[in-house]
Amino acid sequence: EAEVAQSPRYKITEKSQAVAFWCDPISGHATLYWYRQILGQGPELLVQFQDESVVDDSQLPKDRFSAERLKGVDSTLKIQPAELGDSAMYLCASSLVVSGANVLTFGAGSRLTVL
Amino acid sequence: GNSVTQMEGPVTLSEEAFLTINCTYTATGYPSLFWYVQYPGEGLQLLLKATKADDKGSNKGFEATYRKETTSFHLEKGSVQVSDSAVYFCALTRSGSARQLTFGSGTQLTVLP
Repeated sequence: EAEVAQSPRYKITEKSQAVAFWCDPISGHATLYWYRQILGQGPELLVQFQDESVVDDSQLPKDRFSAERLKGVDSTLKIQPAELGDSAMYLCASSLVVSGANVLTFGAGSRLTVL
Repeated sequence: GNSVTQMEGPVTLSEEAFLTINCTYTATGYPSLFWYVQYPGEGLQLLLKATKADDKGSNKGFEATYRKETTSFHLEKGSVQVSDSAVYFCALTRSGSARQLTFGSGTQLTVLP
C-alpha cells in the first residue's frame, strides 16, 4: 500500500536553532498538507499545496515557518528559529478524491522537541 | 466557520464492551465526515467516512451514520478489543477548492483485557 514518507521521525533541538522536515507524498497526489498536532489536541492545518502552489497558508506563522514544494512533488517545512512552543508532531498528508470525498492519507509524522 | 466537537475522554472499557464516541459538527452546506484513528507513536489512519446525509460508514466493526438533522456522526462498535486502544478523531471537509480537514480534539480509548 502506498504511503506518505516523512523524515526525520524524531528531532530534538535547542531553541533558536533551525529545523527542517521533509515529506514525500503518494505518487500522483497533487494536494499536500502540513498539519501540526500539539500533544492531546487534534491536528491543525499549517499549509496546503496544490502541485507547487500554496492554496492556504493563513495559519502558518510566517515570521519563523516556511514551506516549499518546488517541483510539485516532495515538500520541506522549515522552522527558524525554533521556540519552546513549537514542540509538537508535524504531520504531512496527501489527498485524492474518492467517491466524492477528499481522502487524506497521513505520514507517520515528525515529532519535534525544543529544549 | 467549520468546527467539530467530540466527546471528551479518556474512555476506558473492558474487552467486548459496546463503544460510543460522540461527535457533532458545525458547518454550512454539506460536509463530508470522517473518523480517523491514531495508534501510539503513529500518524492518523482513515477509519471510515460518509459523504451525504443518512450515509453509514463502516470498517473493522466500527460504524457511524451521517445525521444531518442532529449534525452528528457518532462512532460505534459492538464489541471492542484491546487492539482498538487508540485516539479517535472526528473530522469534516467542506466541498470546494480547499477541501481541508477540520479535526475534533480527539478521544483516547483504552480497552482493558
